[in-house]
Amino acid sequence: GDSVTQMEGPVTLSEEAFLTINCTYTATGYPSLFWYVQYPGEGLQLLLKATKADDKGSNKGFEATYRKETTSFHLEKGSVQVSDSAVYFCALSGRSGTYKYIFGTGTRLKVLA
Amino acid sequence: NAGVTQTPKFQVLKTGQSMTLQCAQDMNHNSMYWYRQDPGMGLRLIYYSASEGTTDKGEVPNGYNVSRLNKREFSLRLESAAPSQTSVYFCASLSLTGGYEQYFGPGTRLTVT
Repeated sequence: GDSVTQMEGPVTLSEEAFLTINCTYTATGYPSLFWYVQYPGEGLQLLLKATKADDKGSNKGFEATYRKETTSFHLEKGSVQVSDSAVYFCALSGRSGTYKYIFGTGTRLKVLA
Repeated sequence: NAGVTQTPKFQVLKTGQSMTLQCAQDMNHNSMYWYRQDPGMGLRLIYYSASEGTTDKGEVPNGYNVSRLNKREFSLRLESAAPSQTSVYFCASLSLTGGYEQYFGPGTRLTVT
């Protein structure tokens, strides 16, 4: 079945460091791919998305490119801030039928001042 | 625009007690979902409702029932709570425009003693 694998955390970085969180997937067909962010005590918020191969999703300085050849959707940011400290989830969804999401296990990011 | 709302925010139950978690969305979405979030396991789908009047099991349905009361509301019921159901529960609804994004509620933190 479909699955999402993302790098284990926690990831601890200094402010202004470069961030990469790896995400790879297994899916039949052509899923949509998402990164969600969860701040402490809150629900999940969509960070960015990509719906087809080679699409680049971007938001708030974060970027991820839908790579069909490597089945990957890695999250990157050039310069992290303390306010980026959160848990990040990679997810995929089919584009027909029930649109059920498959989530990765989440990666906790801590940014130190 | 309230989005997805959930009640209660916190709940403590004794083993064997029952309760219903409420969820409502005001975005006129057809599909709604219930997830549970446990440390190190990401989000797992309990039940979903593709449209008003239909419900289906997800990955971890045992011990739960759901009701899609109308297009807005989707409730999750624990008939006889067990400590293994201690978790954070999230409700979500799906937008079919712009890439099949799910919108999440703020969550209900449930502890079963």
